Amino acid sequence: LAKTTQPISMDSYEGQEVNITCSHNNIATNDYITWYQQFPSQGPRFIIQGYKTKVTNEVASLFIPADRKSSTLSPPRVSLSDTAVYYCLVGANTDKLIFGTGTRLQVFP
Amino acid sequence: DAGVTQSPTHLIKTRGQQVTLRCSPKSGHDTVSWYQQALGQGPQFIFQYYEEEERQRGNFPDRFSGHQFPNYSSELNVNALLLGDSALYLCASSGTGAGNTEAFFGQGTRLTVV
Repeated sequence: LAKTTQPISMDSYEGQEVNITCSHNNIATNDYITWYQQFPSQGPRFIIQGYKTKVTNEVASLFIPADRKSSTLSPPRVSLSDTAVYYCLVGANTDKLIFGTGTRLQVFP
Repeated sequence: DAGVTQSPTHLIKTRGQQVTLRCSPKSGHDTVSWYQQALGQGPQFIFQYYEEEERQRGNFPDRFSGHQFPNYSSELNVNALLLGDSALYLCASSGTGAGNTEAFFGQGTRLTVV
């Protein structure tokens, strides 16, 4: 069973703010929340990881509410090059990563 | 510093044949995992190797086997290929110990079974 639930797809326009949500109701105490980005015919690429509250790096911000049952990935104002599939994962380490179907983000000019 | 490298990038095989895919982990990483990604789906975990032993295995038949060498590189072998084995095969490497929660993926090997 997938441990996370995400919207299948989202559309946006260049320069807009995007919020990609993920539901993980059964997250365990020692689980982290990790997001990966994947372009066609490439392997997934680590974007950001957090445990609680807000985490920000040069790629995106990750918002995690106090109950940790959901998270929201928010890239900076998107560009065409942000068109990709975004996966939300929960787990305590890199053993046996469980990917869902991800969210396909399409950015239009 | 080279990341995770996989070879070959593309491969076409006939049903019933056997295939070997190769992976070199990121420098400093000792753990290698293999994933299968069918078109339009997320990657599915096949197995993980650490210290030349299979440490965890996903829900894949025994036709899928692997090996890890002393230099931490790894091979994925698939016997008796089926049409349904056509997919992108991804290798991921990671370190061990606390704080190692990021896996680095290679670009994958696209296997087509005809």
